[in-house]
Amino acid sequence: NAGVTQTPKFRVLKTGQSMTLLCAQDMNHEYMYWYRQDPGMGLRLIHYSVGEGTTAKGEVPDGYNVSRLKKQNFLLGLESAAPSQTSVYFCASSSGQGEVQPQHFGDGTRLSIL
Amino acid sequence: GQNIDQPTEMTATEGAIVQINCTYQTSGFNGLFWYQQHAGEAPTFLSYNVLDGLEEKGRFSSFLSRSKGYSYLLLKELQMKDSASYLCAVLGSNYQLIWGAGTKLIIKP
Repeated sequence: NAGVTQTPKFRVLKTGQSMTLLCAQDMNHEYMYWYRQDPGMGLRLIHYSVGEGTTAKGEVPDGYNVSRLKKQNFLLGLESAAPSQTSVYFCASSSGQGEVQPQHFGDGTRLSIL
Repeated sequence: GQNIDQPTEMTATEGAIVQINCTYQTSGFNGLFWYQQHAGEAPTFLSYNVLDGLEEKGRFSSFLSRSKGYSYLLLKELQMKDSASYLCAVLGSNYQLIWGAGTKLIIKP
């Protein structure tokens, strides 16, 4: 059982380059989330989705876009990377909101912007 | 504003007991989660409290007092593998998680 899978695991970009982070879950979860984790700070929500075809902004959405074309996949895009976006990015999924369920996390993508 | 406070770092001895505190001020409350995160790895779910009191799960227990905006995670019979960061997160009124910065727990032999 793979759970939540993120690709790539590591990436180095130059300022201004673009890239897409991929997240896939095989648990048939409705809800998916993208977070960033920076030293000395809690996880911060970038964008989230409550179902296929839907997305919403979280706490720190600027500079990022997302898409949820298929229920199992949630993509995070950086259109023009900036050094401030150097971080560890985590994708998570959960089965619902009305009945509170824990979020399950992928192993993270470590992204450096030079 | 919304705020979650945890100690930055704690040290304990193998075999001992440690209590990690978390205080919160949030707009709305739909429960509190504790997660464990080993260095370089993903956070993993430990416990969820929505009602006041103690929830016990093996060596780990979690306590909640909603009136005080306070929770703690209690780890008994500490093992070296318990060295990790422990993250406190509150589910706010919009059903989004608000995360503390985490407590790094160092276990010494």
